[in-house]
Amino acid sequence: EDKVVQSPLSLVVHEGDTVTLNCSYEVTNFRSLLWYKQEKKAPTFLFMLTSSGIEKKSGRLSSILDKKELSSILNITATQTGDSAIYLCAVEVASNTGKLIFGQGTTLQVKP
Amino acid sequence: EPEVTQTPSHQVTQMGQEVILRCVPISNHLYFYWYRQILGQKVEFLVSFYNNEISEKSEIFDDQFSVERPDGSNFTLKIRSTKLEDSAMYFCASSESVRRGYSNQPQHFGDGTRLSIL
Repeated sequence: EDKVVQSPLSLVVHEGDTVTLNCSYEVTNFRSLLWYKQEKKAPTFLFMLTSSGIEKKSGRLSSILDKKELSSILNITATQTGDSAIYLCAVEVASNTGKLIFGQGTTLQVKP
Repeated sequence: EPEVTQTPSHQVTQMGQEVILRCVPISNHLYFYWYRQILGQKVEFLVSFYNNEISEKSEIFDDQFSVERPDGSNFTLKIRSTKLEDSAMYFCASSESVRRGYSNQPQHFGDGTRLSIL
């Protein structure tokens, strides 16, 4: 059965800290891995990773995929209270449908 | 920035009643999806839809569920006879394309409809 596992499930840090969120997967046919940020409502897209070892960066957020280890990390540097959210990792299985399999999410709380 | 819109934001329905959840995907997107998230659990895939037909559905998507694109803009999820266990947040998503062998376009999600079955 295809599976995506995130760790830790929750994390509390102080503003300015750096955090690393982990995602590992076991799927039959991997196509891509996506990170989303979920605040009160819609998961909003952060990164899509398809190639191993290539870092994607957006401001203080960065992510990298390791296909050998079947995992990805999401780094957030100099955290701010606005980074508080649930971070979702999802894997797209190779098919013609684009179906996503989600992990359970990491809840990040950034305290002032 | 274009976005996926869902209505209503919250739907309360009696068990056994039919419910229709509505979505307006991003206008140039061709692939449409429904996911659900039961409180405290993972987001789960329900169904994908392309070219006016279902392209894949999960085990959850049984005969009680149906999807439709009644016009050029709306995409609906109907649950024929709701059960208590259908209570969840339902997310609609859309993407521009799903292409073999190439980097695909990400799915963009709506704000969700919280469905409460009494």
